[in-house]
Amino acid sequence: DAGVIQSPRHEVTEMGQEVTLRCKPISGHNSLFWYRQTMMRGLELLIYFNNNVPIDDSGMPEDRFSAKMPNASFSTLKIQPSEPRDSAVYFCASSRGQGATEAFFGQGTRLTVV
Amino acid sequence: ELKVEQNPLFLSMQEGKNYTIYCNYSTTSDRLYWYRQDPGKSLESLFVLLSNGAVKQEGRLMASLDTKARLSTLHITAAVHDLSATYFCAVDAYQGAQKLVFGQGTRLTINP
Repeated sequence: DAGVIQSPRHEVTEMGQEVTLRCKPISGHNSLFWYRQTMMRGLELLIYFNNNVPIDDSGMPEDRFSAKMPNASFSTLKIQPSEPRDSAVYFCASSRGQGATEAFFGQGTRLTVV
Repeated sequence: ELKVEQNPLFLSMQEGKNYTIYCNYSTTSDRLYWYRQDPGKSLESLFVLLSNGAVKQEGRLMASLDTKARLSTLHITAAVHDLSATYFCAVDAYQGAQKLVFGQGTRLTINP
């Protein structure tokens, strides 16, 4: 298996623009997570899905952030409009979700908003 | 709300020495994970601890879990430079589905 695949790996955008991050989880995994990592705040769980359904989005910082999982093999995290403080590395992770299994992380998307 | 705290946050040590990283969490859970992150890279799963008293070992790293104390430790034996990385613990705040909450991370630097 190729693991969790994220795209793009790097994104530089201007303030006010819409940004869409994409994630393909490991096949057969039922849970999907979006994390944001910054020096100041560490790793923050933004939202997680189980069987394509959002379970907890309490970590989503503002209404500018939205996430979808239209099917078991694809998820998006959208920021509209983007702001410089959104600059971070965004990780997607997936796990089997049944019982206790570890989450496997993608390579991350480094977002820079200028 | 589940809180996960690691200490120390920064650790600089010499090769050949032993040290322990601590991970405390605030609510009941019997599922704890350790991850490693190299600079600019993703997170790599190291250990999965699923019960009280669980102990896992891989090379110079050993992890244990005490669910009653809400404490996990990651012990490094005879450190080598290749173990330099940031180590995270994560606790599963199961809420009908797995929900991993991470500690702040411990940046470990091993000097020759």
